Amino acid sequence: AQSVTQPDIHITVSEGASLELRCNYSYGATPYLFWYVQSPGQGLQLLLKYFSGDTLVQGIKGFEAEFKRSQSSFNLRKPSVHWSDAAEYFCAVVNSGSARQLTFGSGTQLTVLP
Amino acid sequence: DAGVTQSPTHLIKTRGQQVTLRCSPKSGHDTVSWYQQALGQGPQFIFQYYEEEERQRGNFPDRFSGHQFPNYSSELNVNALLLGDSALYLCASSRNTGELFFGEGSRLTVL
Repeated sequence: AQSVTQPDIHITVSEGASLELRCNYSYGATPYLFWYVQSPGQGLQLLLKYFSGDTLVQGIKGFEAEFKRSQSSFNLRKPSVHWSDAAEYFCAVVNSGSARQLTFGSGTQLTVLP
Repeated sequence: DAGVTQSPTHLIKTRGQQVTLRCSPKSGHDTVSWYQQALGQGPQFIFQYYEEEERQRGNFPDRFSGHQFPNYSSELNVNALLLGDSALYLCASSRNTGELFFGEGSRLTVL
């Protein structure tokens, strides 16, 4: 069965600093990978996704992620963090079954200091 | 264009009671998935409905059941509530196996 690990429970960065959130996955076949963001009291918003092709994926809000098959990783990056980026971030992998259910990591809480 | 809407937004129940949560999918979407998000955890897949049938189910007991109506809206029912059922319940809609769009969730507290 597929699984997703987000090693960092909580990360704190200063506004304007760069950000990298780690994600490792376990999946037998070529994975479909996603990053979602959840603000307090909100549902999940899709930041970006990787299905195939270019391993560097661009998303919304200035985020990007790089798929590295050799490391089973799909890390999320942003060159300059804004205070509004403070939220919880989830990495997810989708199965290849008919329902395409998502398996999520446990999330990384991002705090942005002024 | 309204997105995915869920009701109620918050509710409190006691152990042993039953609860029904409702979801209206985004316009043009025919598939509804339900996820449970416990505090401090990532969402976990409960089940998915397509064409009024349960297409796939996650690792949840039979106390969790659902329904999809001809207008594609959906309900999640949980019987014999346990303290451990306290969570945020998220509904997501899609056009078959396309991209999921999530609602803001229903926060269930079981006392």
